Amino acid sequence: DGGITQSPKYLFRKEGQNVTLSCEQNLNHDAMYWYRQDPGQGLRLIYYSQIVNDFQKGDIAEGYSVSREKKESFPLTVTSAQKNPTAFYLCASSIITTGPNQPQHFGDGTRLSIL
Amino acid sequence: SQQGEEDPQALSIQEGENATMNCSYKTSINNLQWYRQNSGRGLVHLILIRSNEREKHSGRLRVTLDTSKKSSSLLITASRAADTASYFCATGGGSNYKLTFGKGTLLTVNP
Repeated sequence: DGGITQSPKYLFRKEGQNVTLSCEQNLNHDAMYWYRQDPGQGLRLIYYSQIVNDFQKGDIAEGYSVSREKKESFPLTVTSAQKNPTAFYLCASSIITTGPNQPQHFGDGTRLSIL
Repeated sequence: SQQGEEDPQALSIQEGENATMNCSYKTSINNLQWYRQNSGRGLVHLILIRSNEREKHSGRLRVTLDTSKKSSSLLITASRAADTASYFCATGGGSNYKLTFGKGTLLTVNP
């Protein structure tokens, strides 16, 4: 079955540590996205990528980094510069067309906490 | 920001009743989407309505869009306990790829 796989489901970070969240999709989608969700809040866009080896900052990119070396993979690194990393992180993907936005397909998230 | 805002923040109903959630946004859009999120899971796309459409149906879901009022509503008819989830609206505008999500409505359907 096609879909998006995020791992791990739960992750703990120590002070001063960088951690990487994995996101893999087999939907053959060109665009991929990372969102952060805080309790009772909507989704805020961290980074997005429309094509391999290219990505753009979203609304809250500070303290995060990404790479897009393969179409299927879009890992997110939460760096030590992100002082409040505790949140639920969601990865999504979509096709790209010349028309209006297409629906986004989501993984089941990674919950990151500070030790 | 084009961020949508859902209303109410929380809604509790009995099974079999209809549930209506509203979404307001601030700037012009080219489409509006509704998503569902079960607790601890990712979002699932429900329905997309384009800016030139006024109403759309999908099974027990009915979505309306009023671009003059910059608002949309999602109606779930004959609700079931399995409909218990958070519902988010998301607006798309100038960029073909970016969506802006609201804070969601938490719907609880009591059996």
